[in-house]
Amino acid sequence: GEDVEQSLFLSVREGDSSVINCTYTDSSSTYLYWYKQEPGAGLQLLTYIFSNMDMKQDQRLTVLLNKKDKHLSLRIADTQTGDSAIYFCAEGTGGYNKLIFGAGTRLAVHP
Amino acid sequence: NAGVTQTPKFQVLKTGQSMTLQCAQDMNHEYMSWYRQDPGMGLRLIHYSVGAGITDQGEVPNGYNVSRSTTEDFPLRLLSAAPSQTSVYFCASSTTGTGAYEQYFGPGTRLTVT
Repeated sequence: GEDVEQSLFLSVREGDSSVINCTYTDSSSTYLYWYKQEPGAGLQLLTYIFSNMDMKQDQRLTVLLNKKDKHLSLRIADTQTGDSAIYFCAEGTGGYNKLIFGAGTRLAVHP
Repeated sequence: NAGVTQTPKFQVLKTGQSMTLQCAQDMNHEYMSWYRQDPGMGLRLIHYSVGAGITDQGEVPNGYNVSRSTTEDFPLRLLSAAPSQTSVYFCASSTTGTGAYEQYFGPGTRLTVT
């Protein structure tokens, strides 16, 4: 079946770059998404990439997609304490808007 | 716009009790869904709806019922709560159609079943 995997924790120093990785199994996924969840809140869409793209840049965020290896990454440049959150990778699969989420990567930013 | 609202924020139930988690959106979105979030497991889809009067099961539907009588509201009912239903529940909505689209999430309901 479909599955999305992420590492659970990442700790970085303020000002460094963060790279959060994700692997997925469904090669028919059309869109791959990154959502951010701050403490006590719901998820918010950060960015997404269409499956025929290799890279997408959006200000401090860079998404890389390796479709052959089914590997997705999110790079956050100049990581700030406000970036501390849980980051979820999700794949759009099936009809309508059903998403399959990974378990989330908790990003901790320290001075 | 209030976006997606959920009530209550917190709830404690005893095993066997029933309750309804409320979800409402004011964005005229056709698609609404319920997820549960458990530690280390990400979000899992419980039920979803593509419009008033239309609902379908997601990945983990057992123990939950839904109905969609209006575009705005999508309540989730627990008929006989079990400790395994202790979780954080999120409601989400979006437009339907082709292309990428953003799911808007509510703030969540933290449910504990003792």
